[in-house]
Amino acid sequence: QKEVEQNSGPLSVPEGAIASLNCTYSDRVSQSFFWYRQYSGKSPELIMSIYSNGDKEDGRFTAQLNKASQYVSLLIRDSQPSDSATYLCAPLSGTYKYIFGTGTRLKVLA
Amino acid sequence: EAGVAQSPRYKIIEKRQSVAFWCNPISGHATLYWYQQILGQGPKLLIQFQNNGVVDDSQLPKDRFSAERLKGVDSTLKIQPAKLEDSAVYLCASSLGPLAGGKIFGPGTRLTVL
Repeated sequence: QKEVEQNSGPLSVPEGAIASLNCTYSDRVSQSFFWYRQYSGKSPELIMSIYSNGDKEDGRFTAQLNKASQYVSLLIRDSQPSDSATYLCAPLSGTYKYIFGTGTRLKVLA
Repeated sequence: EAGVAQSPRYKIIEKRQSVAFWCNPISGHATLYWYQQILGQGPKLLIQFQNNGVVDDSQLPKDRFSAERLKGVDSTLKIQPAKLEDSAVYLCASSLGPLAGGKIFGPGTRLTVL
């Protein structure tokens, strides 16, 4: 089992729709979770962090965490073509290592 | 605030040659990371420094890769000799500490080994 699993996509959604990106992780001790956005040819940039079970909202982004299910997700409301990128999930493991998933490629269709 | 600086941005070498990458982290960031990102994959941690000491180098191919962070600021990553499978983007990132929130990444160095 991979430490961090994400569907590689591409996930295609129409402009204005909600994009839902999912991530599962294997380290039960992970406490902190981060989502990065990576545009093609660019480096990753942090967009969301979440530490507690439940939802955390920041603008059009909502991160959801369920530690019992070892599941974290990112929702993007009112998706825009500029949201088209690869989204990387990165839990901070129990040994304080950042483990990146392979990322989900999102395509927002105008 | 200046970001993480890396150079060169691009490098093309032949296999068995050597290459070195440089990184200057954000001022005051004690933790520095080198990642390797192969096309279509997530970044893989090669080495993590806390100030000028190595915290984690478990995934660094030590027979060919080396890294140092003198004086706890700038860092260099070297590959000698390079193999075809080393073709990747090498990302440097920094953070205030190992448990600090997200990392700040530099623009990366794209290495092509022919």
